[in-house]
Amino acid sequence: DTAVSQTPKYLVTQMGNDKSIKCEQNLGHDTMYWYKQDSKKFLKIMFSYNNKELIINETVPNRFSPKSPDKAHLNLHINSLELGDSAVYFCASSPGTSGAKPETTDTQYFGPGTRLTVL
Amino acid sequence: SQQGEEDPQALSIQEGENATMNCSYKTSINNLQWYRQNSGRGLVHLILIRSNEREKHSGRLRVTLDTSKKSSSLLITASRAADTASYFCATGLSSGGYNKLIFGAGTRLAVHP
Repeated sequence: DTAVSQTPKYLVTQMGNDKSIKCEQNLGHDTMYWYKQDSKKFLKIMFSYNNKELIINETVPNRFSPKSPDKAHLNLHINSLELGDSAVYFCASSPGTSGAKPETTDTQYFGPGTRLTVL
Repeated sequence: SQQGEEDPQALSIQEGENATMNCSYKTSINNLQWYRQNSGRGLVHLILIRSNEREKHSGRLRVTLDTSKKSSSLLITASRAADTASYFCATGLSSGGYNKLIFGAGTRLAVHP
């Protein structure tokens, strides 16, 4: 199936731990994103990569570090987890520069989300 | 505050009725998009309207954009129980030559059989 996939789907961990969330897309897209959705369903962009290069880096604690080993993968590593990090994290991708029209380049395709619970 | 703000926060209707959701924003945009999120799932793209367009249709969806008022609306006609979901508007902004989406807080739509 062509899609954006994330692992794990659920992550429960203790404060202070370090954890990673992985994202892969097989859509051939150039651009990938990480979003955080809080308990009020408010969705905020964190990072974006285009062809492995960081292009958007919002005001996010430096405990969060994205890594893109290739344009199909964008992983999120979180150090020293805090209670406030509990949220659903979504990965997304878009055709980016590989598309011709905004309807193509700017439409984003989301993964199923990773629910992170920090105890 | 957030770029996109949606109204109403929640909407409850009967099957067959129309549902209208509104979105307001603050700055100039490249485009505006609407997404749907079913409970516990990722967002699904519904429709994109460019800043130079005023209205767009896709099946039972109709989106309008008024850049002078910095507002958009999403109309779902002849709603079905399966339309129950949260609906988000997202404004596409330029960021370093790329398009960045800023999401609103969403409207929770409940369609009752």
